Amino acid sequence: SQTIHQWPATLVQPVGSPLSLECTVEGTSNPNLYWYRQAAGRGLQLLFYSVGIGQISSEVPQNLSASRPQDRQFILSSKKLLLSDSGFYLCAWSGTSGVPRYFGPGTRLTVL
Amino acid sequence: GENVEQHPSTLSVQEGDSAVIKCTYSDSASNYFPWYKQELGKRPQLIIDIRSNVGEKKDQRIAVTLNKTAKHFSLHITETQPEDSAVYFCAASRADSWGKLQFGAGTQVVVTP
Repeated sequence: SQTIHQWPATLVQPVGSPLSLECTVEGTSNPNLYWYRQAAGRGLQLLFYSVGIGQISSEVPQNLSASRPQDRQFILSSKKLLLSDSGFYLCAWSGTSGVPRYFGPGTRLTVL
Repeated sequence: GENVEQHPSTLSVQEGDSAVIKCTYSDSASNYFPWYKQELGKRPQLIIDIRSNVGEKKDQRIAVTLNKTAKHFSLHITETQPEDSAVYFCAASRADSWGKLQFGAGTQVVVTP
């Protein structure tokens, strides 16, 4: 069965510091991968999605970036965090249908 | 782009009663509508979905209905139980962009014994 790992689980970072969140998927190959952000008490906002290694599509202009160095690895990064970057970051994957059916456990980021 | 509105934002029901959550969407090209359940501090889980060629789908105590003409879809939970307490999100997407789900803001459902 498919498993999604995310780390770290929680992170507290000062404004202006860099960020690197990692997502890895097991039990599947060539998945579509997604990064979502959920602000407190809000719905999920799609940030990036990737259909293959090195292929990244950005949905929201911001100071975040994503990379997919390996088939089952998806990384979310920032050079300088903003207060507004605080939130719950969720990685998700889908098969060829493209629907993100399974989410990772999430990373709760607090920027102070 | 697609815009999904979800109502109500909070819903309190007595155990055993039914709960209904409604969503409207703006993009007439949207044709896939999933529902997710998110318990406090946990990841969202897909609980049911419906495609535009179907008007209703049922899975045990949950059902989803879709009205394409009116561009709205609803989640129905019957015989609610305390474990149904969670935040429920609706979403919509187009066939040519399955992964680009547009989510509603969520409904906090509280089932009281």
